[in-house]
Amino acid sequence: GAVVSQHPSWVICKSGTSVKIECRSLDFQATTMFWYRQFPKQSLMLMATSNEGSKATYEQGVEKDKFLINHASLTLSTLTVTSAHPEDSSFYICSAREVALETGELFFGEGSRLTVL
Amino acid sequence: GQNIDQPTEMTATEGAIVQINCTYQTSGFNGLFWYQQHAGEAPTFLSYNVLDGLEEKGRFSSFLSRSKGYSYLLLKELQMKDSASYLCAVRDSNYQLIWGAGTKLIIKP
Repeated sequence: GAVVSQHPSWVICKSGTSVKIECRSLDFQATTMFWYRQFPKQSLMLMATSNEGSKATYEQGVEKDKFLINHASLTLSTLTVTSAHPEDSSFYICSAREVALETGELFFGEGSRLTVL
Repeated sequence: GQNIDQPTEMTATEGAIVQINCTYQTSGFNGLFWYQQHAGEAPTFLSYNVLDGLEEKGRFSSFLSRSKGYSYLLLKELQMKDSASYLCAVRDSNYQLIWGAGTKLIIKP
């Protein structure tokens, strides 16, 4: 199956700093990638849909100025958490859909666990 | 509104069979997915149903009834490694994925 790689796997940062998370599709091109956040014992929450070459589409309640998404190429999308605060600590997961597959299933990155001190 | 319901937690015995149910009310339907998520890891794809009936894949099977808005994931010959959360997700008329909260499956020896 298709492989999506996410980096870093975990990061600890001080409050007020910014953190960048990368999501790469390794063996296919992804015009669309999705960024999720998952708090402990809760389901996945879609934050935004990242579109190659255009602006991301954010879900209601997600601050676009705080969670900057860039999808500069067909294989790379980045999420930058700006001025991170402890409440931003969470598990961030990216995913991509390989359009060639009939099912349109999502392939997920390994996830990035962010801890803001 | 759109809603997906599945039990919060289930417990089963190694070697046994367990059925995890999922009911949904969504704006349109374009397929139902089951994903497995081990603690601290990202979800992995298990199955996809778009037509009514049973899809079998090894020890795992998934069933769909569109008229009832109902699906189940059946796991046979349970192994300890099957301990995980199982997420039901429905793709609506806008091709957006609506996620259930997940069912935590605990396997006991």
